[in-house]
Amino acid sequence: GPKVLQIPSHQIIDMGQMVTLNCDPVSNHLYFYWYKQILGQQMEFLVNFYNGKVMEKSKLFKDQFSVERPDGSYFTLKIQPTALEDSAVYFCASSLGQGAPLFGEGTRLSVL
Amino acid sequence: GEQVEQRPPHLSVREGDSAVITCTYTDPNSYYFFWYKQEPGASLQLLMKVFSSTEINEGQGFTVLLNKKDKRLSLNLTAAHPGDSAAYFCAVSELRTNTGKLTFGDGTVLTVKP
Repeated sequence: GPKVLQIPSHQIIDMGQMVTLNCDPVSNHLYFYWYKQILGQQMEFLVNFYNGKVMEKSKLFKDQFSVERPDGSYFTLKIQPTALEDSAVYFCASSLGQGAPLFGEGTRLSVL
Repeated sequence: GEQVEQRPPHLSVREGDSAVITCTYTDPNSYYFFWYKQEPGASLQLLMKVFSSTEINEGQGFTVLLNKKDKRLSLNLTAAHPGDSAAYFCAVSELRTNTGKLTFGDGTVLTVKP
């Protein structure tokens, strides 16, 4: 079946560095999302994206975060600069709109 | 905003027993409800999406009950087997803004012993 692919599966970086998390959504999906899950805690919504624009973002989506999907390529989450509290698993998801979001397997980000 | 409480956080049952996981939510405008299963290191797998108009929804080996009056959603695994061992998450979405923004429960780690 269709899948959302996330690259890389694990990223380790030093605090203050920039990181870009990549997501390859399902090809005919129109809505894209990022969620954050800290180990042992709940999945929390960060942002959703449609038609080239951010539709809604949560308070977790700090000024250091940005998303884009240039020319239908990867949907990316960039964090610049990173902080220790950004360490988490980041899940990308996509949907047609009314359908349930399909999630990727997550990227584990470790900020040292 | 919406708050979702999920219980229990951990659940251990014997093979063949039933397992019940319950979520309560706060926003009366909630309209779409989801149950996801997550095995270790894997993505969230959608088990079922239910709408506010349907109270009982049956899947393969499980039943989802929705009580809008009490704002309660439950997942009942009938005759659990070891392959059901995983983390389960409920999630809730408003009709008005149903574009994938979900509010998740904290999850339940289910262990099914042979």
